[in-house]
Amino acid sequence: ETGVTQSPTHLIKTRGQQVTLRCSSQSGHNTVSWYQQALGQGPQFIFQYYREEENGRGNFPPRFSGLQFPNYSSELNVNALELDDSALYLCASSLDGSRTYEQYFGPGTRLTVT
Amino acid sequence: AQKVTQAQTEISVVEKEDVTLDCVYETRDTTYYLFWYKQPPSGELVFLIRRNSFDEQNEISGRYSWNFQKSTSSFNFTITASQVVDSAVYFCALSEGTGGGNKLTFGTGTQLKVEL
Repeated sequence: ETGVTQSPTHLIKTRGQQVTLRCSSQSGHNTVSWYQQALGQGPQFIFQYYREEENGRGNFPPRFSGLQFPNYSSELNVNALELDDSALYLCASSLDGSRTYEQYFGPGTRLTVT
Repeated sequence: AQKVTQAQTEISVVEKEDVTLDCVYETRDTTYYLFWYKQPPSGELVFLIRRNSFDEQNEISGRYSWNFQKSTSSFNFTITASQVVDSAVYFCALSEGTGGGNKLTFGTGTQLKVEL
C-alpha cells in the first residue's frame, strides 16, 4: 500500500510569486486535506477536498486555492506569496470526508518565501 | 470554537523514565474525536490513536497508553519506559465534523527529548 506522497520536498520562492504544491493520496482514499505548519506551531487547516469538491475551508485568504483530480490526487496553489507563507505544507488523505476516519499525512513540502 | 491546549512546550527525560503529555480540549460538539500524532524530525505526522467522545475507556498499546477524561476535557498520553526513538514533537488534535469535512484542530505540540 502506497502512502501519501508530496512534491516537491523543498521550495524557495520570492514574495509576489505563485506556487503549486502536489499531493498523491493513499490508495483507496478519496479525501485530501491541506494544512500549513509554521515553525514551532501546530498544523492549521487550509481546506479539504472530497471527490473533487471543496468540503470545508479554514481561515485562509482566497489566494490559497486547490484542486482535486479524478484519481484523488490534489494541488495546493498559493498566489501573491507573502513572507508569512513560509511554512511546512502538509497533505493528508482519509477514506472519506467524515470525522470517522483518521487522516494519514505525507512528509510535507517546506516552502521558503524570500 | 474548538481549541486544543498542550501546556507543556518541552519535556526532557532520561531513557526508561515514564512521561505523560497533557492535552486539554474545548468543544461545543457532543460528538467529537480526539487524536494523537507524532512528528519526528523528518516532518511527517504519524497517527498514533483516535478516540471518540462516547468511549472513555483508557487504551494501552505497548508502551503507550491514553487516559481520556470527559469530566476534565483531557486526553493525556503516557509513554512508559521511554526510549531515545520516542524523541519527537507530539500533537493532540480534535476533529470538527458538523458539516464542512473533518477538519483537525491541533494543539501547539509538546517537544519530547529522551536522553541516554
